[in-house]
Amino acid sequence: GAGVSQSPSNKVTEKGKDVELRCDPISGHTALYWYRQSLGQGLEFLIYFQGNSAPDKSGLPSDRFSAERTGGSVSTLTIQRTQQEDSAVYLCASSLVSPGAGANVLTFGAGSRLTVL
Amino acid sequence: QQQVKQSPQSLIVQKGGISIINCAYENTAFDYFPWYQQFPGKGPALLIAIRPDVSEKKEGRFTISFNKSAKQFSLHIMDSQPGDSATYFCAVLRSNDYKLSFGAGTTVTVRA
Repeated sequence: GAGVSQSPSNKVTEKGKDVELRCDPISGHTALYWYRQSLGQGLEFLIYFQGNSAPDKSGLPSDRFSAERTGGSVSTLTIQRTQQEDSAVYLCASSLVSPGAGANVLTFGAGSRLTVL
Repeated sequence: QQQVKQSPQSLIVQKGGISIINCAYENTAFDYFPWYQQFPGKGPALLIAIRPDVSEKKEGRFTISFNKSAKQFSLHIMDSQPGDSATYFCAVLRSNDYKLSFGAGTTVTVRA
């Protein structure tokens, strides 16, 4: 597609439920990132994919968070047993450039706003 | 820990005025310094970026000033317009790395 597409745009869930957030990156972009944006906070790195591999999962807050990418394209971020502190906007970004090849321009999606009641 | 510190948290400027946002970093290995602009309900989008081999870069009304010795860089929005009202994030990157580290963001409000 023309841009990074994320779904759902809004998700309200009850504490303890599992949620899945989806990201469709720009076609041909090999790098994919998940960031979290909490109210009044900056963008917190969660995970990075190069192709289908995730060489850096260091930003995932707990083992309740997981992500996968298939076919070098679509990625899913799963949050199990959601907690109120998981409420945030989850942003996905993709990039054409591999590390070391120069400026890394991330194209972000509009985000998935998660509210945990 | 935050790799880059951004200030102010918010600012209000009159139409036609100058908006200035500052960022400071510690790690001298960073060599790519972009600014992203985010409108409500949208994802951040690259606005302008600079490398440390130049001290200033200008694109239209937006200018990055870079002070390598002080490890600081700033965004200047000249002749601010209401359409510039948005949240601005600075970021830092090492060119052999993949992970952009973002500042906390500055919400700019331009009053007509």
